[in-house]
Amino acid sequence: DVKVTQSSRYLVKRTGEKVFLECVQDMDHENMFWYRQDPGLGLRLIYFSYDVKMKEKGDIPEGYSVSREKKERFSLILESASTNQTSMYLCASVRGYKGVAGYNEQFFGPGTRLTVL
Amino acid sequence: DQQVKQNSPSLSVQEGRISILNCDYTNSMFDYFLWYKKYPAEGPTFLISISSIKDKNEDGRFTVFLNKSAKHLSLHIVPSQPGDSAVYFCAARSDNYGQNFVFGPGTRLSVLP
Repeated sequence: DVKVTQSSRYLVKRTGEKVFLECVQDMDHENMFWYRQDPGLGLRLIYFSYDVKMKEKGDIPEGYSVSREKKERFSLILESASTNQTSMYLCASVRGYKGVAGYNEQFFGPGTRLTVL
Repeated sequence: DQQVKQNSPSLSVQEGRISILNCDYTNSMFDYFLWYKKYPAEGPTFLISISSIKDKNEDGRFTVFLNKSAKHLSLHIVPSQPGDSAVYFCAARSDNYGQNFVFGPGTRLSVLP
């Protein structure tokens, strides 16, 4: 059974804290993504990575950074959490080569509901 | 400006009837389209997809129709069941455009018993 797991389902942090969200996939996928989901806005892409140590900015990268040291693990970092980063964070992975996903679907993790007070 | 639009934020359907969820896109380079279903507090799960060389793809109760000239696709669920109540996201991508998947804002479907 293929899986994308995320380190926490629910997280509460204070403004200014550094926050780490971890994502691990066991499908040997090259491409991994971080999204945030907000009501009425759908899924917005924060960052993605198509290889170890490679990263690309998505549509809303401000205030975030990422790390991909191993193929199966993709971490999202909030350097200094702010209240407008309260959201549902979703990690996804997809089979591909050099960033090209072809006709493959993404697999999502269960999400992390982050609240920043 | 949203490249993938789902103009109905919500939809209610009686159990056993057909549910039709609509999606419009603006970028003619998109050549692969997907539907995802999302329950509260869970990640989206893949439902069905269609490539631009087809105009219909069917999988059990789920059928996706693609009208390229109108840049429109729709998901039909027949018959609808209470377990289908969820948020449905339409997504599009193209290898030419980039490796990203572009998602619509979602439609919340409620199937009433």
